[in-house]
Amino acid sequence: GQNIDQPTEMTATEGAIVQINCTYQTSGFNGLFWYQQHAGEAPTFLSYNVLDGLEEKGRFSSFLSRSKGYSYLLLKELQMKDSASYLCAVVNTDKLIFGTGTRLQVFP
Amino acid sequence: DTGVSQDPRHKITKRGQNVTFRCDPISEHNRLYWYRQTLGQGPEFLTYFQNEAQLEKSRLLSDRFSAERPKGSFSTLEIQRTEQGDSAMYLCASSTRTGNYEQYFGPGTRLTVT
Repeated sequence: GQNIDQPTEMTATEGAIVQINCTYQTSGFNGLFWYQQHAGEAPTFLSYNVLDGLEEKGRFSSFLSRSKGYSYLLLKELQMKDSASYLCAVVNTDKLIFGTGTRLQVFP
Repeated sequence: DTGVSQDPRHKITKRGQNVTFRCDPISEHNRLYWYRQTLGQGPEFLTYFQNEAQLEKSRLLSDRFSAERPKGSFSTLEIQRTEQGDSAMYLCASSTRTGNYEQYFGPGTRLTVT
């Protein structure tokens, strides 16, 4: 079966660092995406990992360990606009299998 | 590049009615996906096309759902005899098969069945 787990909710303070974890067990794997989704809007691309290691892009970094079925998204210097849901999605053949998403609330 | 567009953005319908949604992908993208998202959940795969061919359909998709992409450009998703459980956001995404699996999402169609 397909199973992708991530925490349902997280809170953090403006300016802080937060790490959102994602573990997965899927029948196929062609990479892992992180998407950001604000309420009522479409998901927007944040990062893509297909090889083990850390990918850094500005304030956002994403890490992948294929042997452990584990990824995390690291958000630094949090801003109020980072309050959103963060979706972990595994590429299985050509489609995306999503986790339930982690709703992050950033407080002043 | 105008991005992926979907129409309508909102649809309210009575149980038992048929509804049809349209998706226009990014013009050079040959792959088109439909997902459904309910409140508090991640998007759930429904079906996808490469050009006009429907390559995969989720087992979750009942016979009341049908999708087409007749000329390999825009796509339609029809739901017949809608039920209250069909209330959700229907998302369309497109991608180009060049080794990058990134999918670009449209704004979605929010369906409410009363």
